[in-house]
Amino acid sequence: QKEVEQNSGPLSVPEGAIASLNCTYSDRGSQSFFWYRQYSGKSPELIMFIYSNGDKEDGRFTAQLNKASQYVSLLIRDSQPSDSATYLCAVKGSARQLTFGSGTQLTVLP
Amino acid sequence: DGGITQSPKYLFRKEGQNVTLSCEQNLNHDAMYWYRQDPGQGLRLIYYSQIVNDFQKGDIAEGYSVSREKKESFPLTVTSAQKNPTAFYLCASSMTSGRLETQYFGPGTRLLVL
Repeated sequence: QKEVEQNSGPLSVPEGAIASLNCTYSDRGSQSFFWYRQYSGKSPELIMFIYSNGDKEDGRFTAQLNKASQYVSLLIRDSQPSDSATYLCAVKGSARQLTFGSGTQLTVLP
Repeated sequence: DGGITQSPKYLFRKEGQNVTLSCEQNLNHDAMYWYRQDPGQGLRLIYYSQIVNDFQKGDIAEGYSVSREKKESFPLTVTSAQKNPTAFYLCASSMTSGRLETQYFGPGTRLLVL
């Protein structure tokens, strides 16, 4: 079992829709959870982090964390073509290092 | 401008050759990291350093070496022992350890084998 799992996609949504990206993790001692966006050929850029159960909103982005279910998600409201990228989930586990999922490729169709 | 710089952007390695990738940061971050990314995959940790003159192996350290002589610099050497070095190499840094540690990435170096 992979430590951090994401659906590889590709996930396609129409412009203006809500994109939902999901991530599960295996280490119950995990403390912090991060979402990075990576455009093709570029390095990852941080979108959000979350460490408490519940929702955290930042503009069009909402991160959701459920530690009991070992599940973290990212919602992108009013999706734009510029949101088309690979989204990486990263988890800081009990070993205190980040473990990355393989990413979900999102395409927003105009 | 504060940030993380990596050079070169592209690097070509001949068989049997050691090559060194540069990573510099002026963010006054204590911790620095090297990751490798293969196509369609996530990032895998090669080495990390939390203070000057100290570093630890990550998940895939074999065939790589690092040094941390200055807070600002964390070069990675890909040795001839690394038999499959073609990948995108990413350097990252963070200000603090602990739960809220947030890693920021440089632009990356793409290594290709001739």
